[in-house]
Amino acid sequence: GQNIDQPTEMTATEGAIVQINCTYQTSGFNGLFWYQQHAGEAPTFLSYNVLDGLEEKGRFSSFLSRSKGYSYLLLKELQMKDSASYLCAVLDSNYQLIWGAGTKLIIKP
Amino acid sequence: GAVVSQHPSWVICKSGTSVKIECRSLDFQATTMFWYRQFPKQSLMLMATSNEGSKATYEQGVEKDKFLINHASLTLSTLTVTSAHPEDSSFYICSARDQSRQGDVYEQYFGPGTRLTVT
Repeated sequence: GQNIDQPTEMTATEGAIVQINCTYQTSGFNGLFWYQQHAGEAPTFLSYNVLDGLEEKGRFSSFLSRSKGYSYLLLKELQMKDSASYLCAVLDSNYQLIWGAGTKLIIKP
Repeated sequence: GAVVSQHPSWVICKSGTSVKIECRSLDFQATTMFWYRQFPKQSLMLMATSNEGSKATYEQGVEKDKFLINHASLTLSTLTVTSAHPEDSSFYICSARDQSRQGDVYEQYFGPGTRLTVT
């Protein structure tokens, strides 16, 4: 079966750095997405990785290792508005998005 | 960037009635749209894939006759929840692919969601 694992909840302090991990086992791989979702709102796109390595985009970076079935989202200089759920999703061999359950990130002052 | 709208943003209906939710791609053509459902504190659950001009593809466990999907044009897909029951109360989100964009062709753009409450 297809499976995506990410921690249910994480807590971090404003101004700090946090890394949210995602491991996956899917039938084929055509890329991995990270989305941010605030409570009561739809997800918004953060990043897309299809090749191994680190992609940096401002305060957010995303890393992928295809051989390990592993990705992480790195958030720097945390702000209170970063409190949200972060969803990891993999595009499988049929180009269907397989979603993780999401990681709820709580930022404390 | 690509924009997807949904209407209504929230709706309350009585049990047994039907509700139609519209999903529109505002500045691009979407041959494929997706309908998701999300219960509180849970992840997105794909209900069906809507293809313009053809029948929708439903995920296992999703009732085709209860959740009617129509994708009549390249910018509009509708989801009709027929004979709604309280257990259908959920957050319904649509998304669309802009397949004319090179490089991020598989990115899905999400609508703002529709919160359905069935009383």
